[in-house]
Amino acid sequence: QVQLHESGPGLVKPSETLSLICAVSGYYISSGYYWSWIRQPPGKGLEWIGSIYHSGNTYYNPSLKSRVSISVDTSKNQISMRLNSVTAADTAIYYCARSHYYYDSSGYYYPYHFDYWGQGTLVTVSS
Amino acid sequence: QPVLTQPPSASASLGDSVTLTCTLSSGHGSYKVDWYQQKPGKGPRFVMRVGTGGIVGSKGDGIPDRFSVLGSGLNRYLTINNIQEEDESDYHCGADHGSGSNFFWVFGGGTKLTVL
Repeated sequence: QVQLHESGPGLVKPSETLSLICAVSGYYISSGYYWSWIRQPPGKGLEWIGSIYHSGNTYYNPSLKSRVSISVDTSKNQISMRLNSVTAADTAIYYCARSHYYYDSSGYYYPYHFDYWGQGTLVTVSS
Repeated sequence: QPVLTQPPSASASLGDSVTLTCTLSSGHGSYKVDWYQQKPGKGPRFVMRVGTGGIVGSKGDGIPDRFSVLGSGLNRYLTINNIQEEDESDYHCGADHGSGSNFFWVFGGGTKLTVL
């Protein structure tokens, strides 16, 4: 059974960097699939942050691209996310999820169908 | 880029049927949409993907036959028949957009389904 577990600081000060880890068990990241970060502000809808393939191919939300970085560590079987210069607007539950992918005619492959999700971790940005 | 619009709330009585709607913005009528179910305090759960021709691929693991989808024009529908108490959840729709380095995902605001 594939399981994902997010961890990180529950509280981050404004202007600092948020760092989260998603530990994966029951599946080797290097075997395939995209791995994604998605967040949800309290009481609001979902917002896709970005996705990474085990080879390192990444896609980011254009609205966050200048501040976010996602990486994969196959030796630890985990995915990491860093979000710089955080503000109160970044307060949210952060989820990691496994994604299937499809190819387009140009050979690009894109994530879709997020099939396994973690429980999420709440991050509050406050001084 | 597409905007996905969902009514914030819906309700249905036990045993009845309900149809949830996800409306794509103009010009995006060919887009496929994923539906996700989210119970309080839990991560979302994939329900199924829908295009204008109906379901795309398979339902998510453990999704009952009572759940079905339909796509028409700019609307993507999720219908739940014979509603049960456990169906009370938030339902989110999402779609991918773009190509190459301009690819990204976008979600609707979610619909809170209350079972009466």
